[in-house]
Amino acid sequence: SQELEQSPQSLIVQEGKNLTINCTSSKTLYGLYWYKQKYGEGLIFLMMLQKGGEEKSHEKITAKLDEKKQQSSLHITASQPSHAGIYLCGAANDRGSTLGRLYFGRGTQLTVWP
Amino acid sequence: NAGVTQTPKFRILKIGQSMTLQCTQDMNHNYMYWYRQDPGMGLKLIYYSVGAGITDKGEVPNGYNVSRSTTEDFPLRLELAAPSQTSVYFCASIYSPGNTEAFFGQGTRLTVV
Repeated sequence: SQELEQSPQSLIVQEGKNLTINCTSSKTLYGLYWYKQKYGEGLIFLMMLQKGGEEKSHEKITAKLDEKKQQSSLHITASQPSHAGIYLCGAANDRGSTLGRLYFGRGTQLTVWP
Repeated sequence: NAGVTQTPKFRILKIGQSMTLQCTQDMNHNYMYWYRQDPGMGLKLIYYSVGAGITDKGEVPNGYNVSRSTTEDFPLRLELAAPSQTSVYFCASIYSPGNTEAFFGQGTRLTVV
């Protein structure tokens, strides 16, 4: 089955600092998702990566998928308190007996203090 | 366009009671999922469905049952509630896993006492 490891598990940064969250897979990724969750709320879609080497940005958040498609990183530039929350990476299985499964990592809890 | 709708938003159950968490989507998605999220943790897949009439177990299916009689609805049933099932439950749907965005409901916060 697909295993997604996220690191770090938690991150506390001062406002204005840059930070990176990693998501590593035990298998080749065929679609990598990044979601954000505010405490007690639902999940907000950030972006999806499919191709090796692909990079996408949304405001101050950039996500990359490495060439081998087994690791993705999420980078936040000049963090703000509004960036605080849980960041989750997810991936899909596109073949085999578990075709269609959508897995998620354990999440990274981000705290941004002013 | 309502997206994915989950009901109820909150529920308190006594040990041994049963209940059904409802999930409906209006996007004609074939793929639907149920996850649970424990405090400080990510999402664990309970059950999923790749289309009407087809369901399959995820990572943590014990204590739960699902059905998929229509494309729109994917209810999750707890037969004998246990304290270990205290969690936040999310339903999701997607058009094409790995190719399109997954849409999530707002979650159901369940407490078993």
